[in-house]
Parts: sequence; structure tokens; C-alpha cells
Amino acid sequence: DQQVKQNSPSLSVQEGRISILNCDYTNSMFDYFLWYKKYPAEGPTFLISISSIKDKNEDGRFTVFLNKSAKHLSLHIVPSQPGDSAVYFCAGSPLFTSGNTPLVFGKGTRLSVIA
Amino acid sequence: EPEVTQTPSHQVTQMGQEVILRCVPISNHLYFYWYRQILGQKVEFLVSFYNNEISEKSEIFDDQFSVERPDGSNFTLKIRSTKLEDSAMYFCASSVLGGRPPWETQYFGPGTRLLVL
Repeated sequence: DQQVKQNSPSLSVQEGRISILNCDYTNSMFDYFLWYKKYPAEGPTFLISISSIKDKNEDGRFTVFLNKSAKHLSLHIVPSQPGDSAVYFCAGSPLFTSGNTPLVFGKGTRLSVIA
Repeated sequence: EPEVTQTPSHQVTQMGQEVILRCVPISNHLYFYWYRQILGQKVEFLVSFYNNEISEKSEIFDDQFSVERPDGSNFTLKIRSTKLEDSAMYFCASSVLGGRPPWETQYFGPGTRLLVL
């Protein structure tokens, strides 16, 4: 039961270009979404979030877009830097947690930024 | 910067044995969590803990799992009788606030890699 899907296991991008990481979800109860970044041998770290009342949230080089009708969100990194190379997890959180797992992750996309 | 720590970093155990994974959350945090990630799979929520009791737990968190805050600093996950499929990376996390949001305040530890043989 993959409620959050990240269909691209890996992505390679040239330094300075845009990285676009995609995420699809199936649970219509999700109303809050987060992106996490994970380096090897470290735990995930929070990157950026978006509430379902918005369609865009920007923080520096990172922008998350939400398309509720398509149940799709994407993370844009502009410009990409070698230090952005990591695994990126998309996660969704349902409005009501009773009977639901409060935070559901995707499998992750490994981003490699090539200098 | 304060951080969540976990010990051990790696643990190998025989099937059927009990294991205890330890975590030291950030000192002023009040909410504690365990997640796991089976190799190549997604990170999965196991349990959240607040005020010395479980707040939420997933279907994965069955009777063989238990959590405890034995003192003011440690937060432990016990697996009573390990199975092969318990092999995974286990992440502890803590946050100042609970509920949702802000998941943003949730800090993860580096993980314990558990291998059940």
C-alpha cells in the first residue's frame, strides 16, 4: 500500500541547473506534506513543507509545488549544488490521525548533483 | 547544535533474541518517535510517545514492540523476540512540540542498523 510514491529512485543534475523531484500520493486525507533530505549515515532532516491550502511554498533555493487535483507535489532546487546530493523523501500527513499513520513517507529519490 | 543520538550504531542478533535500541533525545524535547527503514524501502512510522505514554502507533508496532523512557534522558525501543523481517535501520526522533504540524521540529537521530540472523 504505497500511499506516497516517488517513482524516480535516482536523478542526476548538473551543478547550477534545476533539480525537480516528484512525488504522488493516493490518500485524499493528506493535507500536509513535507520533504526531508538524508545524507548517508545520518537521519532524515526536515527541508520544507506545504499545507494543502497552498499550492506553492518557497524557502531560498527550495520550492515545493502542490497540485491537489493531480495529487502530485514536486520539489524544485535552483540552482543545484553538489552539497544537495542526498536522498530526498516526500512525506504526507493526514488531517485525522485516528486509524491513520500520522506521517507516511515515500521510498526516496537519490539526487546526484554533478560539478 | 543539539542532536539526537542513538546507540548502538549497528546491532547483530539471532532470531528470537530480545534487543533494546537506545536513543537520547534532545534535552528540552517532549515528544519522541521511532521509525524504521527496511533496506531499499520507505521510512515507516512506528510509534510516538508523550508524557510517558504512547500517543500513536502504526500497524507495524505489534505486541513484540515496546517503548520506554526509563529515566529523564533515554528513550528505548525493545523488540521482544526478533524476526528476520525486523532487520532494518531504526531511527529515533524527538520534537519540542507534537501534533501536526509542526513535524518541522522533529529531529532524527543517525539510526541503528539492526540485522537479525
